[in-house]
Amino acid sequence: AQKITQTQPGMFVQEKEAVTLDCTYDTSDQSYGLFWYKQPSSGEMIFLIYQGSYDEQNATEGRYSLNFQKARKSANLVISASQLGDSAMYFCAMREGGNLNDMRFGAGTRLTVKP
Amino acid sequence: SQTIHQWPATLVQPVGSPLSLECTVEGTSNPNLYWYRQAAGRGLQLLFYSIGIDQISSEVPQNLSASRPQDRQFILSSKKLLLSDSGFYLCAWSATDRGRSPLHFGNGTRLTVT
Repeated sequence: AQKITQTQPGMFVQEKEAVTLDCTYDTSDQSYGLFWYKQPSSGEMIFLIYQGSYDEQNATEGRYSLNFQKARKSANLVISASQLGDSAMYFCAMREGGNLNDMRFGAGTRLTVKP
Repeated sequence: SQTIHQWPATLVQPVGSPLSLECTVEGTSNPNLYWYRQAAGRGLQLLFYSIGIDQISSEVPQNLSASRPQDRQFILSSKKLLLSDSGFYLCAWSATDRGRSPLHFGNGTRLTVT
């Protein structure tokens, strides 16, 4: 069964505007972690932000924030003030407490920032 | 600070030839190590992970194998490549037994099997 679902294959955003990338997940574990990664065209995977299932507040890292809605099992990434360098693939991932060595990734969303 | 090195960056190999991709981590000890494969335009698929020297777990039955001869060295191998082995291979490390610890990836190897 698909653990991580990213329903937006591609997204466009105007430079300096905010954009939300969707991610829903499926788990029966109470303890889990959610991660977002950025993959530029160069191919490297860059860790952006982490949200733990027991964290009461939404995670933020600079221009990145995570809109965590536990009851809906969603963990959307919000990028504020988009920059041209934000154009990349973005992957949502989950690590369940029962299997710390298996981080599952979604199919990704390609974000294009328009000047 | 910790760094991860992966090589080669690109590789073109004929069907039936052997494969060896190497990954080393610096600046940390006893890391968990991972090999992922990414098909074109797709997410990442976990191939192998290792929690210690000579401790390798395979997630997907395939034509590949992995070895960890040293604490911070992880090698992905094949005796005979198949066309379906083409893809983007990523090595990663994380701190041991910490659920909050992200994976830190190398720059990847783009493998084309012809």
